[in-house]
Amino acid sequence: SQQGEEDPQALSIQEGENATMNCSYKTSINNLQWYRQNSGRGLVHLILIRSNEREKHSGRLRVTLDTSKKSSSLLITASRAADTASYFCATDGRGSTLGRLYFGRGTQLTVWP
Amino acid sequence: EPEVTQTPSHQVTQMGQEVILRCVPISNHLYFYWYRQILGQKVEFLVSFYNNEISEKSEIFDDQFSVERPDGSNFTLKIRSTKLEDSAMYFCASSAWRYNEQFFGPGTRLTVL
Repeated sequence: SQQGEEDPQALSIQEGENATMNCSYKTSINNLQWYRQNSGRGLVHLILIRSNEREKHSGRLRVTLDTSKKSSSLLITASRAADTASYFCATDGRGSTLGRLYFGRGTQLTVWP
Repeated sequence: EPEVTQTPSHQVTQMGQEVILRCVPISNHLYFYWYRQILGQKVEFLVSFYNNEISEKSEIFDDQFSVERPDGSNFTLKIRSTKLEDSAMYFCASSAWRYNEQFFGPGTRLTVL
């Protein structure tokens, strides 16, 4: 299947530390997107990286993409308690007509004050 | 900042009843999607919609499901005869172009009793 899979499943860190989450997927993609979800809430779009890009930054977020390894990473620098949430990667598939997204199970990040 | 809105936030219904979940996508977006997330599971694609017709649908989206864009702003998901296993969070998403960022609404939590 296409789905991205995040690693680790859970990550627990102190405020101020960096958090790194990884995502692997199986087939070729047009782009990969990262989302955040607070418990029981909606999905907040964080960043999109296209298949021809290797790295992208947005504020404290840094995303990398390695299409040869079919993997991506999300780095949150100087984490805050408010970053506590589940983080998902979502990939589309080159065969998809409108870019349907395939989600992984997510990484549950807990940032302790 | 423009956002996707969904109503209601929570819907409780009896098995066998029809429900309509409503979404207002971002106003200049052309591509619309429904996803669902059963509690504790992955976000799953249901259907994509463009130019007033379904572009792609998953195996979940059977004859009990339908979508409609009744006017220039609303996008609805109808479940004709709800089953217990339809209980989930339903998310609407929209995108300006087919391989661009998909922005999600806050979701409708559907509980089927």
